[in-house]
Amino acid sequence: QKEVEQNSGPLSVPEGAIASLNCTYSDRGSQSFFWYRQYSGKSPELIMFIYSNGDKEDGRFTAQLNKASQYVSLLIRDSQPSDSATYLCAVNIRGTGNQFYFGTGTSLTVIP
Amino acid sequence: KAGVTQTPRYLIKTRGQQVTLSCSPISGHRSVSWYQQTPGQGLQFLFEYFSETQRNKGNFPGRFSGRQFSNSRSEMNVSTLELGDSALYLCASSLDNNSPLHFGNGTRLTVT
Repeated sequence: QKEVEQNSGPLSVPEGAIASLNCTYSDRGSQSFFWYRQYSGKSPELIMFIYSNGDKEDGRFTAQLNKASQYVSLLIRDSQPSDSATYLCAVNIRGTGNQFYFGTGTSLTVIP
Repeated sequence: KAGVTQTPRYLIKTRGQQVTLSCSPISGHRSVSWYQQTPGQGLQFLFEYFSETQRNKGNFPGRFSGRQFSNSRSEMNVSTLELGDSALYLCASSLDNNSPLHFGNGTRLTVT
């Protein structure tokens, strides 16, 4: 079983809609959670991180964490074509130092 | 503040050769991690260095090695290259445990 699971997609949403990206993790020792965006041919760039249960908002992005369900999500409001990319979920597990476990990513396409 | 710098950006090598990749972290970041990204496997953790010490190592053969210098710059080496080593190699730096990773642009290695 993989540490981090994501739907590979592709996920398509119309411009202006809300895109919802989901991620589940298997290790209950997971302590910090990160979302990265990766454009084709580029390296991952950090969008958000969340450590505590609940919601964390940053501009058009909201990260949601539910540790009881071992679930973390990313909502993108007012989706723009420039949001079209692969979104990677990553977790850091307590006791593993700074080793991050990444999901394989969800491909998002925002249709103008 | 300058980001993570990786050199070279592209490399083409033949099987059996060895290669050294370089990474300069963000100023003040003491943790440097290396990841391999392939279409099939996603981002796989190679190793992490902190203050010149390897703190964690992923599930890769001994052909993959690395080191960190006193100025936090890091190198990774792959010996006896195999075709399957063709991948994007990403270096990431962070302040410390549990802090977000910041990725460099990566080195695209092609083994022929």
